[in-house]
Amino acid sequence: TQLLEQSPQFLSIQEGENLTVYCNSSSVFSSLQWYRQEPGEGPVLLVTVVTGGEVKKLKRLTFQFGDARKDSSLHITAAQPGDTGLYLCAIPPTGTASKLTFGTGTRLQVTL
Amino acid sequence: NAGVTQTPKFQVLKTGQSMTLQCAQDMNHEYMSWYRQDPGMGLRLIHYSVGAGITDQGEVPNGYNVSRSTTEDFPLRLLSAAPSQTSVYFCASSPSGIHEQFFGPGTRLTVL
Repeated sequence: TQLLEQSPQFLSIQEGENLTVYCNSSSVFSSLQWYRQEPGEGPVLLVTVVTGGEVKKLKRLTFQFGDARKDSSLHITAAQPGDTGLYLCAIPPTGTASKLTFGTGTRLQVTL
Repeated sequence: NAGVTQTPKFQVLKTGQSMTLQCAQDMNHEYMSWYRQDPGMGLRLIHYSVGAGITDQGEVPNGYNVSRSTTEDFPLRLLSAAPSQTSVYFCASSPSGIHEQFFGPGTRLTVL
């Protein structure tokens, strides 16, 4: 079973600050998904990265897939209160497994 | 399209009671899954299904049963509720196990 570690576990910042959260594994994976879960709702997909070294941007969010395909990062520029939520990474199954594996998440709180 | 719907939204049970959490999707997705989410534990897979008539266990299947008689529906049954099953339960659907997961709004279950 692949393990996904996310760091930090919690992050509380003020509006306008920048931040980076990380998703790491000891194994190589073929692609990685990032989800955001707002309070009281289910997770929603933000992006999928598939190529080592790939960088994708979604407005103020920048996603990077590590060259070795064992890690990924999410950078938020000028955080806003609407960015508050739980950020989860997930990797697809390997071998005979047929299910995604989710990381434990980074809980972000952005205050005014 | 309603996407993924879950009922009920909230439920309180007494220890030993049984109940069924309902999940339905209208996207004709083959893959459906049930997760539980506990503080600090991220999303843990309970059971999943790769198509009608086919189900399999996830990480934490004990105390739960599932069936998949139709593509649309994937109910989760608690046979004899225990306080350890107090959690938020999410149902998700996807074209396959490796694609974007579409989550329902969740069911918050408390077992006294």
